[in-house]
Amino acid sequence: AQSVAQPEDQVNVAEGNPLTVKCTYSVSGNPYLFWYVQYPNRGLQFLLKYITGDNLVKGSYGFEAEFNKSQTSFHLKKPSALVSDSALYFCAVRDGGTNAGKSTFGDGTTLTVKP
Amino acid sequence: DTGVSQNPRHKITKRGQNVTFRCDPISEHNRLYWYRQTLGQGPEFLTYFQNEAQLEKSRLLSDRFSAERPKGSFSTLEIQRTEQGDSAMYLCASSFERESGELFFGEGSRLTVL
Repeated sequence: AQSVAQPEDQVNVAEGNPLTVKCTYSVSGNPYLFWYVQYPNRGLQFLLKYITGDNLVKGSYGFEAEFNKSQTSFHLKKPSALVSDSALYFCAVRDGGTNAGKSTFGDGTTLTVKP
Repeated sequence: DTGVSQNPRHKITKRGQNVTFRCDPISEHNRLYWYRQTLGQGPEFLTYFQNEAQLEKSRLLSDRFSAERPKGSFSTLEIQRTEQGDSAMYLCASSFERESGELFFGEGSRLTVL
């Protein structure tokens, strides 16, 4: 079985400050990890992924995420938040050790960036 | 390419009626997924196809739910004898198997069962 936990329902930051959205995961094989963003009345959009290689991965809109195998975490980060980053963020995991296609999602974290 | 398309975007029905949703994936993608999302929850996996083969179906999915992808292109999700608990956003996504599997989502079909 695979699972994702996003411990914070809501994250509030001021514009220009760094932001972190937390994610921990559980999977039996090699973790393929993903972050998606959902803006109001829009579909989920892929932001970035970790498959293998460098633990720090960079994605769209200046976001990055750090894979930590020992802590089974994949936290989303951005050095300087923008008001337009306000949205709902989902972390997801897939078992890369098999050909299984299913991704399991966390329950999401609402990010609010205040001017 | 216009992305993943879902129809209808909104469906209101009475309890006990049948409903069908359609998903047209990105044309070169061979995997197609159905998820369900309710308020305050993340997307919940329902089923997925590789080409026309249904490879996995959630054990949480009752027998009232059925999905098809007859020619490996578009897919339909049918819910028979709808219940109020079926009210949710039904999401379709597609991906290409040989890639690392990030999903490309449609905008969803919202079902309201009265």
